[in-house]
Amino acid sequence: DAKTTQPPSMDCAEGRAANLPCNHSTISGNEYVYWYRQIHSQGPQYIIHGLKNNETNEMASLIITEDRKSSTLILPHATLRDTAVYYCIVRVGPSNQGGKLIFGQGTELSVKP
Amino acid sequence: DTAVSQTPKYLVTQMGNDKSIKCEQNLGHDTMYWYKQDSKKFLKIMFSYNNKELIINETVPNRFSPKSPDKAHLNLHINSLELGDSAVYFCASNRAGANVLTFGAGSRLTVL
Repeated sequence: DAKTTQPPSMDCAEGRAANLPCNHSTISGNEYVYWYRQIHSQGPQYIIHGLKNNETNEMASLIITEDRKSSTLILPHATLRDTAVYYCIVRVGPSNQGGKLIFGQGTELSVKP
Repeated sequence: DTAVSQTPKYLVTQMGNDKSIKCEQNLGHDTMYWYKQDSKKFLKIMFSYNNKELIINETVPNRFSPKSPDKAHLNLHINSLELGDSAVYFCASNRAGANVLTFGAGSRLTVL
């Protein structure tokens, strides 16, 4: 699986958009980008994933560059409850080895009032 | 109606003891996992079972023995506990082949 690089920490003002970047310059054609987050003392939580098109769900939007070498997770109106560590993971799509997700250090997002 | 439930939530024990952590999922998923998160917060996969069959074993010491009596349950038994086993252990599950995992709340193991 391709390696990902994320900033170790970011701050965001409550109510503003939080834009979390991820670099995955060695991504291959059949690899998806997945985002998870871990709120303090809880289990990781799936947010969103995509292959090449931009994706949106009730939690966030995922913007993937045309060359697929980087992506941005957008939380449109961050709240204090969005304070968490956000993990960007690159993984091949559904397969018999599905679920062997490798979590890096992630980005610690602090949403401030 | 918790999707992935783990027991116990907290476990404090002495070195050398044997302990078990249980996990159950009511999502109808085929695949279950154990992940370990150490004090540095790195989250590492340990084991994966698909329909009661072991499919991933990430070079974990054989003191750790997972057991899956059915596809809704995956238990983790640890023999001869060591200080370095202190960590939070997360159970997770997903539909076979998918990469969208549902995690439990974690079981914090402290070895004294």
